[in-house]
Amino acid sequence: KAGVTQTPRYLIKTRGQQVTLSCSPISGHRSVSWYQQTPGQGLQFLFEYFSETQRNKGNFPGRFSGRQFSNSRSEMNVSTLELGDSALYLCASSKDRNTGELFFGEGSRLTVL
Amino acid sequence: AQTVTQSQPEMSVQEAETVTLSCTYDTSENNYYLFWYKQPPSRQMILVIRQEAYKQQNATENRFSVNFQKAAKSFSLKISDSQLGDTAMYFCAFMTNLYNNNDMRFGAGTRLTVKP
Repeated sequence: KAGVTQTPRYLIKTRGQQVTLSCSPISGHRSVSWYQQTPGQGLQFLFEYFSETQRNKGNFPGRFSGRQFSNSRSEMNVSTLELGDSALYLCASSKDRNTGELFFGEGSRLTVL
Repeated sequence: AQTVTQSQPEMSVQEAETVTLSCTYDTSENNYYLFWYKQPPSRQMILVIRQEAYKQQNATENRFSVNFQKAAKSFSLKISDSQLGDTAMYFCAFMTNLYNNNDMRFGAGTRLTVKP
């Protein structure tokens, strides 16, 4: 059974640009959550999608957005990139919303220059 | 606000020995869930163990066990017979109301090194 797949694994952008990250959950998993991991702030919740609907959102500016498709794949977008957006972005999937057991991908490491 | 605190940024242990990682949390909720996740170097994070707050019995998964003290809001992880593969960042995490809120709060992590 394939795990959570995130693409791209590494990317470099410049300030002001935008980026789209993709996440393919484990087959059969309907919930996808996104987290930002930085040395200074640790792991912070961005948002969660379930059945193509955003169910919950963390304390991030509107430049951070996401969506989920009918096949449960999810994308997150960051517009007008800032240096502080440099981070490892982790996607996690779960079968349902009532387990708390998250299966994480390896992450997309974004560097903003 | 719900917060998770891991007071030990780094720890080390000799192979085959036992180590305990500490975690405290703060919440006004009565029903919640606690987790320990492990993030090995350059590999994805995986769930180690999970504890429901309404269960008094401490969770155990092979060499991993927890000491859950609800009144003290403490949730420590004990690793017995430490192995080199246990070297990783360990994150304590907290979540309330699973049905309506998949917002998991993580501690800052403890970097554990198992020495041969």
